Amino acid sequence: EVQLVESGGDLVQPGGSLRLSCEVSGFTFSSHWMHWVRQAPGKGLVLVSRIKGDGSWTDYADSVKGRFTISRDNAKNTLYLQMNSLTAEDTAMYYCARDHYGYNSVDCWGQGTLVTVSS
Amino acid sequence: DVVMTQSPLSLPVTLGQPASMSCRSSQSLVHSDGNTYLNWFQQRPGQSPRRLIYKVSNRDSGVPDRFSGSGSGTDFTLKISRVEAEDVGVYYCMQGTHWPWTFGQGTKVDI
Repeated sequence: EVQLVESGGDLVQPGGSLRLSCEVSGFTFSSHWMHWVRQAPGKGLVLVSRIKGDGSWTDYADSVKGRFTISRDNAKNTLYLQMNSLTAEDTAMYYCARDHYGYNSVDCWGQGTLVTVSS
Repeated sequence: DVVMTQSPLSLPVTLGQPASMSCRSSQSLVHSDGNTYLNWFQQRPGQSPRRLIYKVSNRDSGVPDRFSGSGSGTDFTLKISRVEAEDVGVYYCMQGTHWPWTFGQGTKVDI
């Protein structure tokens, strides 16, 4: 069974940093691109970042470029999102999602981890 | 970025009756490889999103056949042939043709 379990969400002050993790099981992690998608309270879905299976390629939404860094440890089956210089606009549920190879889509989602940026 | 516009934003439905929602993109979603990467996701209250449809009309495993997707170019539709209580939630379209992939703002379906 495919599982994605996020962790690391917390209450953090503006300007602070946080690292999210997503531990996966049930599939060959290194074969899949992986994504982070966020959802502000009561709002829609926004794709934040993605990373190639071997970690050699990354992409970011303009809103997080230069502040967030996506990475992965294929030996630990874990995806990360390092978030720096956080602002209130980064408050959201953060989901990791598995890429559906060849279909330009995501086919499995985690349960999400909540990040709240507030003083 | 490609803007995805869904309508209506709120869709009251009646159990057992059909329902339909629309998704329009600001650019054609036909990829240079000839495929159209348009997806539909369902998000039930308090849950993570779940993909229902990929590449316009392909249902995911386990998705009831009362859900169907159609469309081409810039205009797409998700139909529910007979609404059931478990279909309550927000439905999002997402395009995977142009980076960054973008979602519509969602259509909220309630009874």
